[in-house]
Amino acid sequence: DIQMTQSPSSLSASVGDRVTITCRASQGIRSDLAWYQQKPGKAPKRLIYAASSLQSGVPSRFSGSGSGTEFTLTISSLQPEDFATYYCLQHNSFPFTFGPGTKVDVK
Amino acid sequence: EVQLVESGGGLVQPGGSLRLSCAASGFSFSSFEMIWVRQAPGKGLEWLSYVNSFSNTIYYAESVKGRFTISRDNAKNSLFLQMSSLRGEDTAVYYCVRVTAPSWYFDLWGRGTLVTVSS
Repeated sequence: DIQMTQSPSSLSASVGDRVTITCRASQGIRSDLAWYQQKPGKAPKRLIYAASSLQSGVPSRFSGSGSGTEFTLTISSLQPEDFATYYCLQHNSFPFTFGPGTKVDVK
Repeated sequence: EVQLVESGGGLVQPGGSLRLSCAASGFSFSSFEMIWVRQAPGKGLEWLSYVNSFSNTIYYAESVKGRFTISRDNAKNSLFLQMSSLRGEDTAVYYCVRVTAPSWYFDLWGRGTLVTVSS
């Protein structure tokens, strides 16, 4: 099975900050990676698919990059509504696996 | 309304069994692949199981393989998760999720049903 790791596990940031989250796969997954955002009590929402494609309706301050085993999610200028937990998901091979999550909170 | 509604959660003793159901409405259920995802209290998301439209392709996470069984009834617009040999670490909210091809988009989530495994 493919294991996913994320770093950091949490971070504190201020509105306007640039935020970068890293996700690593235990083996190559091409670009078969998505990023999801989850707010408390809410269902996860996909932000990025195919590692770098922006989901329709998602603000352009979100971007993704990477392929193979290392991926990043970047928020160029953090907004109040972006405080949430972010998960990467690999769908290269079954069983699919989520990363452990990165919680972004207010500094 | 397009929605997924889970049911069947509750308190069960370790070693016990439980069957979760997910009722789909507002869309052509038989056309979509489906998965189960769970989230333990205060923890992250865990992908559990997948079933395709025809129920002839099924996958499980290692953590539940041999203990959980996914199934669906397209005539009744329903998805199921039969859980047995339950353990404390199975305590979680269980979500029924619709998958939209071709990008494996988990685009519709239910509100979840809480399973608590405790004596």
